[in-house]
Amino acid sequence: DQQVKQNSPSLSVQEGRISILNCDYTNSMFDYFLWYKKYPAEGPTFLISISSIKDKNEDGRFTVFLNKSAKHLSLHIVPSQPGDSAVYFCAATVDTGNQFYFGTGTSLTVIP
Amino acid sequence: DTGVSQDPRHKITKRGQNVTFRCDPISEHNRLYWYRQTLGQGPEFLTYFQNEAQLEKSRLLSDRFSAERPKGSFSTLEIQRTEQGDSAMYLCASSPWDRNEQFFGPGTRLTVL
Repeated sequence: DQQVKQNSPSLSVQEGRISILNCDYTNSMFDYFLWYKKYPAEGPTFLISISSIKDKNEDGRFTVFLNKSAKHLSLHIVPSQPGDSAVYFCAATVDTGNQFYFGTGTSLTVIP
Repeated sequence: DTGVSQDPRHKITKRGQNVTFRCDPISEHNRLYWYRQTLGQGPEFLTYFQNEAQLEKSRLLSDRFSAERPKGSFSTLEIQRTEQGDSAMYLCASSPWDRNEQFFGPGTRLTVL
């Protein structure tokens, strides 16, 4: 059963505009969420995270929003840059961090 | 610190053979995870070590899979009697005891013929 879902396999955005990547989860026990970025032939790289006690976390061009009632989180990238083109995975865990659940990924293409 | 390393990067084997992969985590990280990733999917959790103790194991993991972390440093993942369905990228990740953010290695791509 897929407990973390990314329903958009791909997204294309013009350089300089905002990219919004979405993620939904089903398990209400999840209390820590992460976004990873993956380039071809490399392992995922940690991008940004958020605890369930917050509804927003910002790090430079990247902001993650969490809506616990909707079991939904989103990653905003603004402004988008061509180097942001990659596959983005969201992940969730219970705070013990013993097991992580990943979504299927969204491939972002930023068009120069 | 050179990050998480995995060896080999690629492995081609015939069905029925055993394979073993190695992961060297970042030296001060006591948490270590193994994942499997197939095309179009996200990383799928296989198992978790805290130091040398294997604390979590996916219920999806068949008994042909075994992992060890004997001294709480490097880890090995063995697959016995490989099947074509085992073809995937096997990823290792590590993290400090007090952080959930994981550092991933480049993965080992397994092809079972």
